[in-house]
Amino acid sequence: QVQLKESGPGLVQPSETLSLTCTVSGFSLTSYSVSWVRQPSGKGPEWMGRMWYDGDTAYNSALKSRLSISRDTSKNQVFLKMNSLQTDDTGTYYCTRDTFGDWFAYWGQGTLVTVSS
Amino acid sequence: DIQMTQSPASLSASLGETVTIECRASEDIYNGLAWYQQKPGKSPQLLIYNANSLHTGVPSRFSGSGSGTQYSLKINSLQSEDVASYFCQQYYNYPYTFGAGTKLELK
Repeated sequence: QVQLKESGPGLVQPSETLSLTCTVSGFSLTSYSVSWVRQPSGKGPEWMGRMWYDGDTAYNSALKSRLSISRDTSKNQVFLKMNSLQTDDTGTYYCTRDTFGDWFAYWGQGTLVTVSS
Repeated sequence: DIQMTQSPASLSASLGETVTIECRASEDIYNGLAWYQQKPGKSPQLLIYNANSLHTGVPSRFSGSGSGTQYSLKINSLQSEDVASYFCQQYYNYPYTFGAGTKLELK
């Protein structure tokens, strides 16, 4: 079955770089695209960016200058790197998968990232 | 960016009641709208896509409607397991954007 699982450090220092990994199973990264979505506690989600099945990427313009999404298809992994973290980057980070449209039918369990010194 | 305004922010309803949550887009999104349910400590779960299509396995008491800039999610015959937060999301244009959410509680 389709599964996505996020991993990475739970605590990041202000101004440092966040690195997260999404490990997927049950589907191929060359057939479906994977997006990163984050959610501050008690607030609505925010779409961050997407790795298309063909290797192309799309980013939220609000984050584009700090964000990079890449992948390793041999390891079934999608990576997120975001620099210059601040306290308002604290939240739960999810990777998600599309289906035959741009809505998100599959979500990982999420990983909580806290930006604090 | 397309702004998604959800209302109400919170809602209290009784078991068996019918509940409606609204979502207004800042411009026409041509039915490019999904609804998600999120229970505390869990990931969002897809309910509706393309404004009115029920995702596989979602109970038929959930339904979506609307067009243009105005959309709604209706829950018929509210069950205890429906207590959750609900979010709308537009995917008509980048960046995809979500509403701030509606928290549904039992009265």
